[in-house]
Amino acid sequence: AQTVTQSQPEMSVQEAETVTLSCTYDTSESNYYLFWYKQPPSRQMILVIRQEAYKQQNATENRFSVNFQKAAKSFSLKISDSQLGDTAMYFCAFINAGNNRKLIWGLGTSLAVNP
Amino acid sequence: DTGVSQDPRHKITKRGQNVTFRCDPISEHNRLYWYRQTLGQGPEFLTYFQNEAQLEKSRLLSDRFSAERPKGSFSTLEIQRTEQGDSAMYLCASRKEAGGPYGYTFGSGTRLTVV
Repeated sequence: AQTVTQSQPEMSVQEAETVTLSCTYDTSESNYYLFWYKQPPSRQMILVIRQEAYKQQNATENRFSVNFQKAAKSFSLKISDSQLGDTAMYFCAFINAGNNRKLIWGLGTSLAVNP
Repeated sequence: DTGVSQDPRHKITKRGQNVTFRCDPISEHNRLYWYRQTLGQGPEFLTYFQNEAQLEKSRLLSDRFSAERPKGSFSTLEIQRTEQGDSAMYLCASRKEAGGPYGYTFGSGTRLTVV
């Protein structure tokens, strides 16, 4: 079965600090793509960062970076210099390269950035 | 064209009534997806289209649900004889087929409440 597990239902962080959200996944495929999406309250899903499984180098996008451990099937998201606007639900998701159609999602982590 | 549009944003209906939602994807995106997201959960795949062809339907899509994309542009999702368990956020996303599984763009969703 293809699954995504986010073990932290809720997290909080002080503004300007760093926080790491965890994600593990399970797939039998060797080639796939991993994503972190952000969903602010009552707003649309926005792509934060993506990682191709065949790339060893961890992806970074400004204040967002990932720690991709393929053998451990782990894909954590680090947010540096947290801002109030980072408050949102964060979803980890993946797509198998051979099944290039639908995203498999975790349950999400609710992140609150406190002033 | 600024993104994926969904209409309506909110819908409250009485149990047993039929409802229809509309999704207008980004014009050059030939793939269109419907997901359902219940409170506290990640999105679940419902169905997807490549142009006007519906290529896959989830088992979540009971016979009360039907989706169409008649001209390969906008799509509609109809729920007949609504039940309280249908209350959820219905998300539409689109992307281009070429270039790998990147570039999903999500709409803001339609929140359905069945009373």
